[in-house]
Amino acid sequence: DAKTTQPNSMESNEEEPVHLPCNHSTISGTDYIHWYRQLPSQGPEYVIHGLTSNVNNRMASLAIAEDRKSSTLILHRATLRDAAVYYCILRWMDSSYKLIFGSGTRLLVRP
Amino acid sequence: EAQVTQNPRYLITVTGKKLTVTCSQNMNHEYMSWYRQDPGLGLRQIYYSMNVEVTDKGDVPEGYKVSRKEKRNFPLILESPSPNQTSLYFCASSLQGVGEQFFGPGTRLTVL
Repeated sequence: DAKTTQPNSMESNEEEPVHLPCNHSTISGTDYIHWYRQLPSQGPEYVIHGLTSNVNNRMASLAIAEDRKSSTLILHRATLRDAAVYYCILRWMDSSYKLIFGSGTRLLVRP
Repeated sequence: EAQVTQNPRYLITVTGKKLTVTCSQNMNHEYMSWYRQDPGLGLRQIYYSMNVEVTDKGDVPEGYKVSRKEKRNFPLILESPSPNQTSLYFCASSLQGVGEQFFGPGTRLTVL
């Protein structure tokens, strides 16, 4: 399984942008980069995913390096509700379609 | 509202007493899956189902059973629970496995 490396924790001020990095130097050509987050006492929640090109949705943006060995999840204006553990996941499409969660980055948002 | 529901949310039981954790989704998803979450180990897949009557083992299936008789329901059965199955359990579903997975709120199980 290709591995991802994320900082254990990050802090941000409310209403400021947040850049959450992820390194995945052993990524293969067919691995998709997925981001999920887990708010306190809740199940994981899908945030965004991409393969090669940068992606935007209503929740966040995903910037993927040209060599695909790293990516960055961008929250444009952090709110208190964004305080969560963010997981960067490489996903290849085997028959189980499982998500392999690492330890993630705990994001603290200061009011 | 599109959602995955699990019941019960909390359960304390004793070793050997059979239990079932229910999971239901209202999105007509074909794919459903069970995970357990333990400190330091992340989420690990227990069983998954690609469609009705089709189930397969994930990474940690020992001590668990599942069934998929209807598309919307995917119960997790512990025939003889043991303390090492004390964990936080999540059910997930997606349209066809490849896309976004929707997770339930979790079931915290304690086996004494």
